Amino acid sequence: RKEVEQDPGPFNVPEGATVAFNCTYSNSASQSFFWYRQDCRKEPKLLMSVYSSGNEDGRFTAQLNRASQYISLLIRDSKLSDSATYLCVVPRGIPGGSSNTGKLIFGQGTTLQVKP
Amino acid sequence: NAGVTQTPKFRVLKTGQSMTLLCAQDMNHEYMYWYRQDPGMGLRLIHYSVGEGTTAKGEVPDGYNVSRLKKQNFLLGLESAAPSQTSVYFCASRRTGDNSPLHFGNGTRLTVT
Repeated sequence: RKEVEQDPGPFNVPEGATVAFNCTYSNSASQSFFWYRQDCRKEPKLLMSVYSSGNEDGRFTAQLNRASQYISLLIRDSKLSDSATYLCVVPRGIPGGSSNTGKLIFGQGTTLQVKP
Repeated sequence: NAGVTQTPKFRVLKTGQSMTLLCAQDMNHEYMYWYRQDPGMGLRLIHYSVGEGTTAKGEVPDGYNVSRLKKQNFLLGLESAAPSQTSVYFCASRRTGDNSPLHFGNGTRLTVT
């Protein structure tokens, strides 16, 4: 099993739709998580951080389910400009210790295409 | 603040040639990372560093070496380039602490022929 797994998609949705992506992780010691957005293989840009159960920023909501070891990203009222690849990032934790080993693992990314 | 700066932006190498990619950050970050990204794939960690003078292997370290002699710089070396190392290379840095996000450079596009 990969450390971090995402459905690569693509997810093709019409403008205004609500879409959700999941990211599963295998290391139960990981504490905080990140969603990044990447356009056309440019550098990834931070979208949201997830430390506790969830986080909301405008049309974007990230949720964390520690019991099932996944994080999700929900995008409401999709815009054409939301078309991008969404990358999930998980710090590699040490079981029973601090999660801060410094190592950050990326998922494969989920591609979203919003159509007019 | 320039943030994270990578040089060069583009490079074409012949098989067997060597080169060094430079990453510099001016944010006083402790942690620095080198990732590579191939078409259709996410970012894979090559090497990383949790402080000046320290380095550690990531997921795909073979064929690469790194050095962190100064806190602000993280160098990635290819001693004998191979076509399989054709990729986009991203450097990133962050502060210590679980909640610290990565800050990325613009990337280096390397082609090995």
